[in-house]
Amino acid sequence: GAVVSQHPSRVICKSGTSVKIECRSLDFQATTMFWYRQFPKQSLMLMATSNEGSKATYEQGVEKDKFLINHASLTLSTLTVTSAHPEDSSFYICSAISRVGNVGYTFGSGTRLTVV
Amino acid sequence: LAKTTQPISMDSYEGQEVNITCSHNNIATNDYITWYQQFPSQGPRFIIQGYKTKVTNEVASLFIPADRKSSTLSLPRVSLSDTAVYYCLVGDVYRGDYKLSFGAGTTVTVRA
Repeated sequence: GAVVSQHPSRVICKSGTSVKIECRSLDFQATTMFWYRQFPKQSLMLMATSNEGSKATYEQGVEKDKFLINHASLTLSTLTVTSAHPEDSSFYICSAISRVGNVGYTFGSGTRLTVV
Repeated sequence: LAKTTQPISMDSYEGQEVNITCSHNNIATNDYITWYQQFPSQGPRFIIQGYKTKVTNEVASLFIPADRKSSTLSLPRVSLSDTAVYYCLVGDVYRGDYKLSFGAGTTVTVRA
């Protein structure tokens, strides 16, 4: 089956620094990737949608300058949390789909970000 | 996107069957019904997807009545490892601009 790899699985960073999270589709070409954020005891909240080679589309209320998304290839999308603050601490999850071959939504294992 | 309503939580015991019903009164003609399972600190995992009637795979069954305004996920003979949050999602997954949007989910707790 389709596999999405997300790295790192957990990261601790100092307030004010930037953190990059990678999301890779290992055995299919992801035409679209999605980034979610999940706070404890809450559901997943969609942050943005990115298509390969084009700018990401952000959901309302998500700061595009703070959460930089790059989808430079059909197998890789990155989320960079810039100038991280403690309130950015959360569980970040990516998902990928492929319109070619109808690969359904496949999720990465998530990244636990802690900003101290 | 069709709004979904499902119970916040359900308790069960090992070996029992768990049925989770999801309401989606404004489901559209092209919408599919998909269920995901999520364990703590992990990404959601696909369980089953259907359009109408009944779908069964190795882990679950999905029952969808003729009007498609609700669906029931059935987990046979649950074990402790089935304790997780289960999400019901409704949408046209084959549409080019479809975005998967999660509701609150149902926390299933299986006890020994």
